[in-house]
Amino acid sequence: QSALTQPASVSGSPGQSITISCTGTSSDVGTYNLVSWYQQHPGKAPKLIIYEVTKRPSGISNHFSGSKSGHTASLTISGLQAEDEADYYCCSFVTGNTYVFGTGTKVTVL
Amino acid sequence: EVQLVESGGGLIQPGESLRLSCTGSGFTFRSCAMSWVRQAPGKGLEWVSGIGYDGDTTHYADSVKGRLTISRDNSKTTLYLQINSLRAEDTAVYYCTKDGGSLIDTGRIENWGQGTLVTVST
Repeated sequence: QSALTQPASVSGSPGQSITISCTGTSSDVGTYNLVSWYQQHPGKAPKLIIYEVTKRPSGISNHFSGSKSGHTASLTISGLQAEDEADYYCCSFVTGNTYVFGTGTKVTVL
Repeated sequence: EVQLVESGGGLIQPGESLRLSCTGSGFTFRSCAMSWVRQAPGKGLEWVSGIGYDGDTTHYADSVKGRLTISRDNSKTTLYLQINSLRAEDTAVYYCTKDGGSLIDTGRIENWGQGTLVTVST
């Protein structure tokens, strides 16, 4: 299975909103509402921030939100903060009971 | 608090085999599906294998099928990954992860270990 497609980088100023896209196929994003998003700071393990397209785990700020349309899922970060600067990965369940990650997006806070 | 502690990484020669281990604590290990995710230096995340709560169901990414074997011992709350015929492209940090359910069907990885580095080189 091929990796989901994400933009390599996205940037924004503090307080702005940015959106990261995640495009898959009918074998993954297009069929299942089982898309999750992970934040990874340099040298650290990833952290779950969104699951089942729109849900936030306990303790995750509501300035992270998720959505999906067709074969593309999206992560929106509202009110961008310095600590949001990190790599972000989407992940989807795939037909056949495997998972596939996105290519990853580096978020820069200007 | 959920804790996942990996071990078994290191410098390995091409063609050799390696077994990674991961001990879980702070949760009901026997009820949770588990996966291994790897990350090559400077690269993205790659899900490589998952196993259901009782070990009866195992799943692999196409890229590693046939060379990797995932297993678990619920009595020891330990997850394993056997990697055979190691190649340079297997060089990565290998993360042990806890799924959001009892089978590999949630698309949700709730917890991650700190990872163990495997370097395949002469």
